[in-house]
Amino acid sequence: QVQLVESGGGVVQPGGSLRLSCAASGFTFSNYGMHWVRQAPAKGLEWVSFILYDGTYKYYADSVRGRFTISRDISKNTLYLQMNSLSTEDTAVYYCAFSQYCSTSSCYLDYWGQGTLVTVSS
Amino acid sequence: EIVLTQSPGTLSLSPGERATLSCRASQSVSSSFLAWYQQKPGQAPRLLIYGASSRATGIPDRFSGSGSGTDFTLTISRLEPEDFAVYYCQQYGSSPLTFGQGTKLEIK
Repeated sequence: QVQLVESGGGVVQPGGSLRLSCAASGFTFSNYGMHWVRQAPAKGLEWVSFILYDGTYKYYADSVRGRFTISRDISKNTLYLQMNSLSTEDTAVYYCAFSQYCSTSSCYLDYWGQGTLVTVSS
Repeated sequence: EIVLTQSPGTLSLSPGERATLSCRASQSVSSSFLAWYQQKPGQAPRLLIYGASSRATGIPDRFSGSGSGTDFTLTISRLEPEDFAVYYCQQYGSSPLTFGQGTKLEIK
């Protein structure tokens, strides 16, 4: 069955960096675009970034563009999110997710990981 | 970007009652590309509805979606105890993807 397992979260100081990973299994990872979505504590969902199935197209929310970089390693079936220049506003649970029906960034998300918590605090 | 506004913020109902949740978009959502999700504490969101009215795999038929343009509705016909959660709408008709702020459905 499809599994998405995020890791790499933790506590980091403002201005610091962190790299999140999302290990995928149970489906052909190289065939699907992947998203990152985050949720601040007791807040709603915010889309963060998308990468096309082959890594040739990447798209970011305005709030993270220039600071975050999405990437994927097909050989490891793993999605990444490199986060730099972190601020307290980036504190959130970060989910990786995808749609089995759409190849573009504009889609609903029918598979989600369990999330990893990033806390930015001094 | 399209802003989605959900109402009410909190809905207090009893099991067996009917729930009606609203999602209003700041501009028309093309091709009714609107989805609904359910989220329980400590869990990831679960897709309920896509295309405004199509149920996702395994979703009970007490959940239904309707609407077009800027006004969308999620209806739960007879509330079961496991339905009490937070519900989010999401539009995918234009980039970036955006979500509503959520409606909390609580037991009265």
